[in-house]
Amino acid sequence: NAGVTQTPKFQVLKTGQSMTLQCAQDMNHEYMSWYRQDPGMGLRLIHYSVGAGITDQGEVPNGYNVSRSTTEDFPLRLLSAAPSQTSVYFCASRVLGSGNTIYFGEGSWLTVV
Amino acid sequence: AQSVTQPDIHITVSEGASLELRCNYSYGATPYLFWYVQSPGQGLQLLLKYFSGDTLVQGIKGFEAEFKRSQSSFNLRKPSVHWSDAAEYFCAVEPNTNAGKSTFGDGTTLTVKP
Repeated sequence: NAGVTQTPKFQVLKTGQSMTLQCAQDMNHEYMSWYRQDPGMGLRLIHYSVGAGITDQGEVPNGYNVSRSTTEDFPLRLLSAAPSQTSVYFCASRVLGSGNTIYFGEGSWLTVV
Repeated sequence: AQSVTQPDIHITVSEGASLELRCNYSYGATPYLFWYVQSPGQGLQLLLKYFSGDTLVQGIKGFEAEFKRSQSSFNLRKPSVHWSDAAEYFCAVEPNTNAGKSTFGDGTTLTVKP
């Protein structure tokens, strides 16, 4: 049982480059989300999706794009990387509805130079 | 909108000592409350959660948390800490609505002294 799988685990980008963080889950969860984690700031929600074809913005969406063409996959795209996007990114999924456990991927460490 | 405060950024305890990590929340009604643990280089894992009913909740790894409505708190406790408990701990709150999104505290880093 793989759970939530994120790739790549580590990435270094130059300012202005674009890239996609991949996320896949095999639990048939409707709800998927992306967070970024910065020192001393907990987790902040970037984008989320409540099902295939439906996405919405979270707390810090600027500079990121998402799509949800299937239930399993929820890629996060950085359109033009900036040093402020240096962070650890976590993909997560859960059964739709409040109070259900969130399952996290192992994280993607992104450095923008 | 809901918010979560974890007053302690860093706590150090000796192995075998008791532990209490504090969490205070702000929300108009009783929300769903969670504690997650993050080991170095890993994602977050659920320790326990509270919805309603008994205000003392048991979780994995010997942890428990107590919901106190009057204090808007949901503190995490463990009677005897093990070295493997060293990690970062996050409290999270979620509105009691069908489309609620979790809000996370800034985390408390636990160091365990031998």
